[in-house]
Amino acid sequence: DGGITQSPKYLFRKEGQNVTLSCEQNLNHDAMYWYRQDPGQGLRLIYYSQIVNDFQKGDIAEGYSVSREKKESFPLTVTSAQKNPTAFYLCASSRTGVESNEQFFGPGTRLTVL
Amino acid sequence: GQSLEQPSEVTAVEGAIVQINCTYQTSGFYGLSWYQQHDGGAPTFLSYNALDGLEETGRFSSFLSRSDSYGYLLLQELQMKDSASYFCAAIRDSSYKLIFGSGTRLLVRP
Repeated sequence: DGGITQSPKYLFRKEGQNVTLSCEQNLNHDAMYWYRQDPGQGLRLIYYSQIVNDFQKGDIAEGYSVSREKKESFPLTVTSAQKNPTAFYLCASSRTGVESNEQFFGPGTRLTVL
Repeated sequence: GQSLEQPSEVTAVEGAIVQINCTYQTSGFYGLSWYQQHDGGAPTFLSYNALDGLEETGRFSSFLSRSDSYGYLLLQELQMKDSASYFCAAIRDSSYKLIFGSGTRLLVRP
């Protein structure tokens, strides 16, 4: 079955530590995205990538970094520079050139920084 | 600025019809999408409107008026499983990035 996987579902880290969240897709999609969701709020775009080896900052990129070395993978690193990292992180992918830009989401990773 | 406004919460009875409104203010606009998210789950795509008018997909319909910067999602024959959060999202430029509203939590009562 095609889809997007994120692991782990829950992640706990101490303040000051960097942490990397994984995102893998086997949908053969060119575009991938990272969003952050805080309680009772919408999704805010952190980074996105429309092609391998290229990515762009979204609306809230400060304190985060990404890489896109393979089409299937788009890991997100939450660095110690991110002031309030505790949140629900969602990865998504989509085909490029589709008018609706229908995005397919992974199950998310809930990060708690203690 | 760029923003989408939705009601924070709506309650309706099983079997009824409910409308969730979305007004948007974006510097560029290509179209309006709707996503459903159950608690703790992944958002799933419901519909997309690029042109004015109504798009129907089963029990769900979505409407767009570009002149009014307004859209809505209409859910008919409500079922308990429709209890979820619903997000409108605007495609704002040629990169097809989405900007999401803060979501409307729908509670369906028996």
